[in-house]
Amino acid sequence: DGGITQSPKYLFRKEGQNVTLSCEQNLNHDAMYWYRQDPGQGLRLIYYSQIVNDFQKGDIAEGYSVSREKKESFPLTVTSAQKNPTAFYLCASIPLLGSTEAFFGQGTRLTVV
Amino acid sequence: RKEVEQDPGPFNVPEGATVAFNCTYSNSASQSFFWYRQDCRKEPKLLMSVYSSGNEDGRFTAQLNRASQYISLLIRDSKLSDSATYLCVVTPSVQGGKLIFGQGTELSVKP
Repeated sequence: DGGITQSPKYLFRKEGQNVTLSCEQNLNHDAMYWYRQDPGQGLRLIYYSQIVNDFQKGDIAEGYSVSREKKESFPLTVTSAQKNPTAFYLCASIPLLGSTEAFFGQGTRLTVV
Repeated sequence: RKEVEQDPGPFNVPEGATVAFNCTYSNSASQSFFWYRQDCRKEPKLLMSVYSSGNEDGRFTAQLNRASQYISLLIRDSKLSDSATYLCVVTPSVQGGKLIFGQGTELSVKP
């Protein structure tokens, strides 16, 4: 079955550590997105990528980094520069042509301990 | 101006009520429009697509007005299980760009 997979579901980070969240899709979608959601808040765009080896900053990119070495994969690294990383992180993908909906991973809940 | 603006919530309604959510978007080149439902601490799930001709699925009706850059969702005969946050979503143009979410409208259906 085609879909989008995020891992891990829960992640704990010590202050000062970098952590990487995985997002993989086998839908052959061109574009992939990372969002952050805080309790009671909407989704805020961190980074997105429309083609391999290219990506753009979203609205809250500071303290995060991404790569897009393969079409299927778009990992997000939360660096130590991100001062308040505790949040729910969602990855999404869409094709650039056509009217299909966005597909989401199940999310990663990151907690700083 | 925000790229997608959605009615602020929360909406607290009794069972059986009809409730409407609205969303406006700024990019006239946007391709597609959707309503998603998000339950607490879960990923958003597709509720329905939105077309200019209107789209009805049981108690849910979605409408798109491209001229006014406006989409809507109507829920009739609300059920307790409809309680969730509803998100409007606008996909980028064929040239690409951001996948934009409204900030979400929380619906609470009470007995």
